[in-house]
Amino acid sequence: EAGVAQSPRYKIIEKRQSVAFWCNPISGHATLYWYQQILGQGPKLLIQFQNNGVVDDSQLPKDRFSAERLKGVDSTLKIQPAKLEDSAVYLCASSPTGSEQYFGPGTRLTVT
Amino acid sequence: GESVGLHLPTLSVQEGDNSIINCAYSNSASDYFIWYKQESGKGPQFIIDIRSNMDKRQGQRVTVLLNKTVKHLSLQIAATQPGDSAVYFCAESYNQGGKLIFGQGTELSVKP
Repeated sequence: EAGVAQSPRYKIIEKRQSVAFWCNPISGHATLYWYQQILGQGPKLLIQFQNNGVVDDSQLPKDRFSAERLKGVDSTLKIQPAKLEDSAVYLCASSPTGSEQYFGPGTRLTVT
Repeated sequence: GESVGLHLPTLSVQEGDNSIINCAYSNSASDYFIWYKQESGKGPQFIIDIRSNMDKRQGQRVTVLLNKTVKHLSLQIAATQPGDSAVYFCAESYNQGGKLIFGQGTELSVKP
């Protein structure tokens, strides 16, 4: 079974630029999550989708971050404009039931 | 400026010894707990989970213990191998399927 796919794996941008990350979850998984993981810390949930609807986006900085999950499959996470403190690994995870979550390899973002 | 990550607690063990990684969770209402393993450059990988109606669960070479009285979770790894070297995170959630809250993480280093 193919795992969660993410791209790009690495991205370097300057502050105030925009960036987008893409996630393809495991086939058939209804729940999709985006996490932010700052170096040395555990992942922090940004947004949770159930099919193409948002379940929880309480920790998403909505003034600069946006996410969508069209047709309840792939998802994109966008940051516009980026700040230095956005440097982190952005992890996508999916789950068939909402309990056990399967993580992708992440996108490492560096904002200079 | 450059962000500075937290220094993770580190556990160093000899190959073949047993390892015990501890975690204090924050919400007394949490009813579902998971241990994840994260290798460098990869996303977290599910190891084992436990529900709050249990105090012990065993998997292959791993055991999770839950003490709700003191809000403490531990992961025991038997006969630790070099491949077990990674950062280990505990995560908690309320109402299985809800948002996962990750702990800080512990870095396990296995000496051959």
